[in-house]
Amino acid sequence: GENVEQHPSTLSVQEGDSAVIKCTYSDSASNYFPWYKQELGKRPQLIIDIRSNVGEKKDQRIAVTLNKTAKHFSLHITETQPEDSAVYFCAARGIFGNEKLTFGTGTRLTIIP
Amino acid sequence: EAQVTQNPRYLITVTGKKLTVTCSQNMNHEYMSWYRQDPGLGLRQIYYSMNVEVTDKGDVPEGYKVSRKEKRNFPLILESPSPNQTSLYFCASSSPGLMNTEAFFGQGTRLTVV
Repeated sequence: GENVEQHPSTLSVQEGDSAVIKCTYSDSASNYFPWYKQELGKRPQLIIDIRSNVGEKKDQRIAVTLNKTAKHFSLHITETQPEDSAVYFCAARGIFGNEKLTFGTGTRLTIIP
Repeated sequence: EAQVTQNPRYLITVTGKKLTVTCSQNMNHEYMSWYRQDPGLGLRQIYYSMNVEVTDKGDVPEGYKVSRKEKRNFPLILESPSPNQTSLYFCASSSPGLMNTEAFFGQGTRLTVV
């Protein structure tokens, strides 16, 4: 089955700087890669996703890149703000018989004011 | 409003006392699943269901049961809870396939087994 590894487990950055979280996956059939943000005491919520036919996707201050050959994808947050402090999870999923969403172990991001 | 609703939000129980955590979604999603979240381990899938009357084990199914008698409901049953099932539980629903839509999560249920 799919295995998703996520690094780092904790990350502290100065407000205004950029943060990068990296994930690798094992199943070459996976073709959907979402990123979830979980604030303290709340449910995970989707912040951005990318499909395997796209190499990069951007939404304001967040972007995701995907390298299918190397089987890794990354989340980039620019101009970080205190409200970006949260736990971030990457995930991978296939289709048609492989719909299971496999999560990474999470990254606790702390923005230092 | 599209949502996944779990109940209860918090539950403290004793070892061996059967309990059920309910999950309901109003988005007509085919795919529903249960996850447990533990520090340093991320979200691990317990059971999932592709559609009504179709359920299967995830990565950590031991000690849990599920049922899917209706499309909207997917309860999680702990027949004889043990302390190692103390965790934060999330139900999620989605409509996979060609569109690979996002998974929507419930509010979470924090379970403590003493």
